[in-house]
Amino acid sequence: AQTVTQSQPEMSVQEAETVTLSCTYDTSESDYYLFWYKQPPSRQMILVIRQEAYKQQNATENRFSVNFQKAAKSFSLKISDSQLGDAAMYFCAYRGLYTGANSKLTFGKGITLSVRP
Amino acid sequence: EAQVTQNPRYLITVTGKKLTVTCSQNMNHEYMSWYRQDPGLGLRQIYYSMNVEVTDKGDVPEGYKVSRKEKRNFPLILESPSPNQTSLYFCASSSRGGQGPTGELFFGEGSRLTVL
Repeated sequence: AQTVTQSQPEMSVQEAETVTLSCTYDTSESDYYLFWYKQPPSRQMILVIRQEAYKQQNATENRFSVNFQKAAKSFSLKISDSQLGDAAMYFCAYRGLYTGANSKLTFGKGITLSVRP
Repeated sequence: EAQVTQNPRYLITVTGKKLTVTCSQNMNHEYMSWYRQDPGLGLRQIYYSMNVEVTDKGDVPEGYKVSRKEKRNFPLILESPSPNQTSLYFCASSSRGGQGPTGELFFGEGSRLTVL
């Protein structure tokens, strides 16, 4: 079974600085997706960034980028120029591409990011 | 607008009183799923459905039922709720399995359920 580990329960960053959130995962599959979801106080699950495992290039979405290390099974999220609105819980998630009927999203336990003004 | 709609958003009920949380999506997705979110545990899958009349258990199905009579709807049923089912519930949908164009799961806004 796939597992996703987010070992840091909380992190804090100064506004305008850069922060990196860590995530590791375990799988025997070769094709899969990795995601970072943001959950602000509104509780909505918002997709931040997506990475396809077959792509070697790291995904980037504006101030958000990932460092995807497939061999190491590591998928960290870097937030540049942190803003107050980035304060939220962040979940790392895995989804297999060919896992049969239930290609469920497997989540880490989440990390709470606070942004200091 | 593409969306997943859950109702109710908030509910306080008592032990043993049957309740249903509705979920509807307007994206013609085959795959739908229910998750519960608890502090320190992340999100865990309760049930999923690959298509109409095709449902199966996820990781934490005990105490829940689902049905998929129409493609767009996937209600979550708690026949006899207990306090350990107090949680935040999310419905999600996507194109078939993980083989869609993005693999992304689209989430509803969540339903906060409290069982006294």
